[in-house]
Amino acid sequence: DAGITQSPRHKVTETGTPVTLRCHQTENHRYMYWYRQDPGHGLRLIHYSYGVKDTDKGEVSDGYSVSRSKTEDFLLTLESATSSQTSVYFCAISAGNTHTDTQYFGPGTRLTVL
Amino acid sequence: AQSVTQLGSHVSVSEGALVLLRCNYSSSVPPYLFWYVQYPNQGLQLLLKYTSAATLVKGINGFEAEFKKSETSFHLTKPSAHMSDAAEYFCAVSGDTGRRALTFGSGTRLQVQP
Repeated sequence: DAGITQSPRHKVTETGTPVTLRCHQTENHRYMYWYRQDPGHGLRLIHYSYGVKDTDKGEVSDGYSVSRSKTEDFLLTLESATSSQTSVYFCAISAGNTHTDTQYFGPGTRLTVL
Repeated sequence: AQSVTQLGSHVSVSEGALVLLRCNYSSSVPPYLFWYVQYPNQGLQLLLKYTSAATLVKGINGFEAEFKKSETSFHLTKPSAHMSDAAEYFCAVSGDTGRRALTFGSGTRLQVQP
């Protein structure tokens, strides 16, 4: 499982509240990713990081921000949650230094925004 | 730009029958292709990947896939389905040497009938 944990695993929140999801890895991988999974859409990239304090946007980044102050932690923040952000969120790492390398995924966080 | 199309959101086979899950890709650069499997309430697990070394790729659990450039396809097959193969399967492409993120298809849910 490449030593990836996500917390919390489940969260129910209300519209307009801030939410932070945490991804933690134990193997010092440089690249980390946040995806969301929705029925009929597969997984879509929200943000990614290529090092400490180095982050960039993916295809569905509106309403999300990220931070990476340590190699092992990658945080995803919903500044003001909306019902459209109800989803399952997966963190992933890239196991090597090329784009052919396998991505390994965490167990996911199921977020419900009421 | 890259994209992946998985034909058939649901596929049902009988136990012991051939499994064929279809994936077509579009990529402006040489693609690297992946198949992942997701069991209920779990993260994604790599089944196999194509990185140009060989066009026929063998993966875990008896699955294999063949890269066909002329058809822009990377279909997943297994000669004989087992009940434990019931899951959702995702095809993904990587060709972006910068961010190294994956672009996923929308997924195919495989049902195996006894």
